[in-house]
Amino acid sequence: QQQVRQSPQSLTVWEGETAILNCSYEDSTFDYFPWYWQFPRESPALLIAIRPVSNKKEDGRFTIFFNKREKKLSLHITDSQPGDSATYFCAASTSSSFSKLVFGQGTSLSVVP
Amino acid sequence: NAGVIQTPRHKVTGKGQEATLWCEPISGHSAVFWYRQTIVQGLEFLTYFRNQAPIDDSGMPKERFSAQMPNQSHSTLKIQSTQPQDSAVYLCASSHDRDEQYFGPGTRLTVL
Repeated sequence: QQQVRQSPQSLTVWEGETAILNCSYEDSTFDYFPWYWQFPRESPALLIAIRPVSNKKEDGRFTIFFNKREKKLSLHITDSQPGDSATYFCAASTSSSFSKLVFGQGTSLSVVP
Repeated sequence: NAGVIQTPRHKVTGKGQEATLWCEPISGHSAVFWYRQTIVQGLEFLTYFRNQAPIDDSGMPKERFSAQMPNQSHSTLKIQSTQPQDSAVYLCASSHDRDEQYFGPGTRLTVL
């Protein structure tokens, strides 16, 4: 059972456009949602994260929008750059204590110059 | 801060051989997590330790896989009688609080 789902599987945008990556989850006990990005031949690196106490988290060109009622979140990348080309993973955990991350299958983003 | 260290970076074993993977967490981090990544299954949780104690091994295959954390500076993942389906990148992550997990570079295991 896939508890965290991502769409689309792949996405291509032009440089300067806004990329929108979607994520949904099933387990209502999840209360911490990090996004990781992964470049070829590297390991995942933490990009940005959100807790449901807020419905928006911004860090530079990267913004998470969170909808607790619908159990959905999205990552918006404004002014996309070729260097943003990577696979993006949405993850979730129950952070009442240290807890495992459940990952989505990832979205492969290509930013074309 | 050297980050999470994993050794070896690459390991090739023959079917039926044993593989031991090492992880050194970031100094001061009290939790260590093991995941594996494949094209088909994606990123899967295996097991984790907090303050060296095993907390959750729900993702570990019950046979052939074992993990230990004998001290706060390293953890090992051992796979006995390796099979081709064990081929994957094994990732170790550490955390100093309940949220942020930082991944090491991974060990790419290839079972021939």
